[in-house]
Amino acid sequence: AQKITQTQPGMFVQEKEAVTLDCTYDTSDPSYGLFWYKQPSSGEMIFLIYQGSYDQQNATEGRYSLNFQKARKSANLVISASQLGDSAMYFCAMREGFDNAGNMLTFGGGTRLMVKP
Amino acid sequence: DSGVTQTPKHLITATGQRVTLRCSPRSGDLSVYWYQQSLDQGLQFLIQYYNGEERAKGNILERFSAQQFPDLHSELNLSSLELGDSALYFCASSTHRRQGASGNTIYFGEGSWLTVV
Repeated sequence: AQKITQTQPGMFVQEKEAVTLDCTYDTSDPSYGLFWYKQPSSGEMIFLIYQGSYDQQNATEGRYSLNFQKARKSANLVISASQLGDSAMYFCAMREGFDNAGNMLTFGGGTRLMVKP
Repeated sequence: DSGVTQTPKHLITATGQRVTLRCSPRSGDLSVYWYQQSLDQGLQFLIQYYNGEERAKGNILERFSAQQFPDLHSELNLSSLELGDSALYFCASSTHRRQGASGNTIYFGEGSWLTVV
């Protein structure tokens, strides 16, 4: 079964508008972390934001915020005031467990975001 | 700049050959992960090392091997290369602390583009 699902293969957003990228996850581990990464056309994988399963507040990092709904097992990324430079692939990922040094990231299939001028 | 350094950035080699990809983790990070990103398979976890020891193994072919050295840098060896091994290979690193984004974030290098011809 898919552990991370991103249902939007591609999305358009108008410059300066907000956009939400969807991510749902599946785990039975009570301790987990959720990550969002941005991959521009140049290829590098850029960390954007992290949410721990025990975090009470939704994570925010500048224009990025994570809408964490634990009961629904969703961790949507919200980008406010989109910029042309936000055009990229966005990946949601999960890491199960905190302290176990053997836990890796599992990635979703990604969403390609295109920002229109 | 994530602090994770990968070399080489680009590599073109012939089928049947062997290559070595090198990774230097962020200062202080004990864990190194290797991922393969191809068009048809997405991001696939290959292997993880923690302080010199193998900790987790993913979809790594027998033709591939890795190691982490005492200075914590890691190498991924790919042998008997096939056309299908053409991909972007990422190294990532992290520390392992109980809670919080700064301790749990996994940072990626810029990747090594491998083309097998």
